[in-house]
Order: sequence, then C-alpha cells, then structure tokens
Amino acid sequence: DAGVIQSPRHEVTEMGQEVTLRCKPISGHDYLFWYRQTMMRGLELLIYFNNNVPIDDSGMPEDRFSAKMPNASFSTLKIQPSEPRDSAVYFCASTPPGYNEQFFGPGTRLTVL
Amino acid sequence: AQSVAQPEDQVNVAEGNPLTVKCTYSVSGNPYLFWYVQYPNRGLQFLLKYITGDNLVKGSYGFEAEFNKSQTSFHLKKPSALVSDSALYFCAHTPGSYQLTFGKGTKLSVIP
Repeated sequence: DAGVIQSPRHEVTEMGQEVTLRCKPISGHDYLFWYRQTMMRGLELLIYFNNNVPIDDSGMPEDRFSAKMPNASFSTLKIQPSEPRDSAVYFCASTPPGYNEQFFGPGTRLTVL
Repeated sequence: AQSVAQPEDQVNVAEGNPLTVKCTYSVSGNPYLFWYVQYPNRGLQFLLKYITGDNLVKGSYGFEAEFNKSQTSFHLKKPSALVSDSALYFCAHTPGSYQLTFGKGTKLSVIP
C-alpha cells in the first residue's frame, strides 16, 4: 500500500507569496494531522481532522495559515502571505480507525526567502 | 500539563554496544506512550507503544521499551546497536485521544 503522500517535497518561494502544501492520507484512515518541524521549536501539531472535519486548530500559528480537507483522500495547508519564519518541514500524518499510531508522510521542506 | 521529556539531546554509542534513549513522562491517569524514529530527510516512523499490560514492550527493528511506573519512565533500548540505527528518536504521549504530544527528540549516533 502507498503511504501518506505529500507534495511538493521541496518548495522555495519568496516572502509574500501564497504557498499550498498537499497531502493524501492512507486510504481508510479517518484522522489526518498537520505538523511543522523546526530546529528551534521541534515538532508542533498545527491542526487535525476527523472524518474531514477540523477538530483542533489551536496550533495554527496565525491567520495566515489555513487548512482544508474537502474529502477523505485530500487535504491542503495554505500559507498566505508566506514569511521567512514559516520556513520549516511540514508533515502530514494519518491514523486508521481505532488506533493511535500515526503514519507520517515524507514531509515538505518549505523555504521562504 | 501532561507531557513527556527527553533529557538528552544526543546519545553516542559504539556499534555492537547496548543503547538506551531516555524518556520520562508527567501524565495523570494511565499513560499511553509511544516511540517514533526519524531517519534523515524522512517522516517519523512508529516503533512501539505502551497502553496497558506487560511493562516490557517489543517493537520494530529489535527495539524495546520498558515502562516503569515508579520512575515515570519509558526508556527505549536495544541490546546491540547498529550504525543504521543512527537517527532522531521521539517519545510521545496521548491522553487517550488521537492527538500525540512529542518530546523534543534525541539524536542517536552509533559509531562504527
């Protein structure tokens, strides 16, 4: 089975530009999580969904960040406008029904110049 | 606040020697504890978890972890380290929901 798929794997953009990160969870999984990883702050949970519904977005840093999950097989994390401090690796993870283990995607390395 | 702590930023061990990566927890009620590994430029991979039952939990790649309630610890162990075990290791906790809280991570370096 394919794992969690994220695209793009690398993104370089300039400050002020809109950035959209994409995630396809593992088929059949009902929870989806977005994380951000930096050297300074470690691994931070941004938002998570259950059955496509956002459950907790308290980790979203500010209004420039938004996330959607229009269906069970696709989610996006959007940053508009982007800033250099948003540079990080963004991970998507999903969880099957009844389990706690999260399955992580390979991440998107975002660099905002 | 409920949390996990990894007291060591880095652990160095010689190949073939036993390794231990430390994790302590501060959790009310029954702790649900996890270990994940992150290889360079990769996402995190699940290694093992403790929910209830035996205090010694066996996981992937020959790793095991010992749950110690009196010391509030959940240390990750392996009898004989491999160079390929070099990676970043995360301890994590959930209060029973699906949301995980991760420790800051410990970098393990296995020296040939």
